[in-house]
Amino acid sequence: NAGVTQTPKFQVLKTGQSMTLQCAQDMNHEYMSWYRQDPGMGLRLIHYSVGAGITDQGEVPNGYNVSRSTTEDFPLRLLSAAPSQTSVYFCASSYSLGGYTFGSGTRLTVV
Amino acid sequence: DAKTTQPNSMESNEEEPVHLPCNHSTISGTDYIHWYRQLPSQGPEYVIHGLTSNVNNRMASLAIAEDRKSSTLILHRATLRDAAVYYCIPRLTGNQFYFGTGTSLTVIP
Repeated sequence: NAGVTQTPKFQVLKTGQSMTLQCAQDMNHEYMSWYRQDPGMGLRLIHYSVGAGITDQGEVPNGYNVSRSTTEDFPLRLLSAAPSQTSVYFCASSYSLGGYTFGSGTRLTVV
Repeated sequence: DAKTTQPNSMESNEEEPVHLPCNHSTISGTDYIHWYRQLPSQGPEYVIHGLTSNVNNRMASLAIAEDRKSSTLILHRATLRDAAVYYCIPRLTGNQFYFGTGTSLTVIP
């Protein structure tokens, strides 16, 4: 099993550019979430999904869009990158009552 | 929303037990308590979770107070690889987890 796969691992964007962070899981998990972690800080929930076709906002959703067309994939789209979005982004998935499995993260720098 | 309170940092000697406390006096009766840890430069890792009774797995034990207002994560023999930030988090509707700042555990050789 690959678990939770995030691509790319590193990315540098210019202010105003858009991009999509990819997240895929092969465990047939119904729940998936996106978090961001700024240096020296805890994780903050951006968006989450309880199943294909269902998404909702977390603590810090502004500037990000998500979609969940399949159980396996949960991409995170940055609409117009800003330096404040420089962070490490983690995707995670779980069964309904289980613990989350996290990906290895995408380190994003916006210049 | 349910809030948790954890000490910012703790130290333990290697091969000794570690008790990491968490106060969660505002959680509802159906909120599971989950514990995660994050090693340096890695994503969080699930450790254990429970609702009312004590739980054990290969990584740790979780002791939940009878009134559910607090819990303690127990590492039976700390190793250097256990040095990490430990997060105590209530599981909310939709399997949402809101991470706080956690407890940074230092293991002393």
